[in-house]
Amino acid sequence: AQSVSQHNHHVILSEAASLELGCNYSYGGTVNLFWYVQYPGQHLQLLLKYFSGDPLVKGIKGFEAEFIKSKFSFNLRKPSVQWSDTAEYFCAVRGSSNTGKLIFGQGTTLQVKP
Amino acid sequence: DAGITQSPRHKVTETGTPVTLRCHQTENHRYMYWYRQDPGHGLRLIHYSYGVKDTDKGEVSDGYSVSRSKTEDFLLTLESATSSQTSVYFCAISERASGGDTQYFGPGTRLTVL
Repeated sequence: AQSVSQHNHHVILSEAASLELGCNYSYGGTVNLFWYVQYPGQHLQLLLKYFSGDPLVKGIKGFEAEFIKSKFSFNLRKPSVQWSDTAEYFCAVRGSSNTGKLIFGQGTTLQVKP
Repeated sequence: DAGITQSPRHKVTETGTPVTLRCHQTENHRYMYWYRQDPGHGLRLIHYSYGVKDTDKGEVSDGYSVSRSKTEDFLLTLESATSSQTSVYFCAISERASGGDTQYFGPGTRLTVL
């Protein structure tokens, strides 16, 4: 069965620090990969997605992620975080044969201190 | 925001009562999904629909039923609510774009079962 693992459950950073959130998945075939963000009290918003092509994907608000197929990873990065990046971040995977169903990781709570 | 609304946004109910949550979309998307969000579990798929009257189960479907009699509405029913169904429920649609489908989420319904 497919699964997604986000190793960091709670991350605390100071403003201007660099961010990397880990995401690993288990699935043997072609995958689509997503990162969503959920600001406090709000719904999930799409940060970025990978379908094919360049494994380095740029998203909104200065976020990027790199797909490393050999490591089954899709880590999220941002060179310099802001207080407004405080939120919960979810990695999600969809197998190409999976009729659109997404499998989500457990989420990582990011707290940025001003 | 993909034109998704959910109602009610908050509900408190008692164990054993039936509850129906509504998801409404305005952009004629074929695929719709119901997820529940719980701390430490990310989002888990309850049911999904791939057209009017066409639905299928997700990974946590026990105790839930769905109906889709119109393209724009996808209803989630808790037949006899239990405290374990206290959660935040998100509806999503799937939007087709070049390369693949992307899910966009509604604002959520916070359900408390006493």
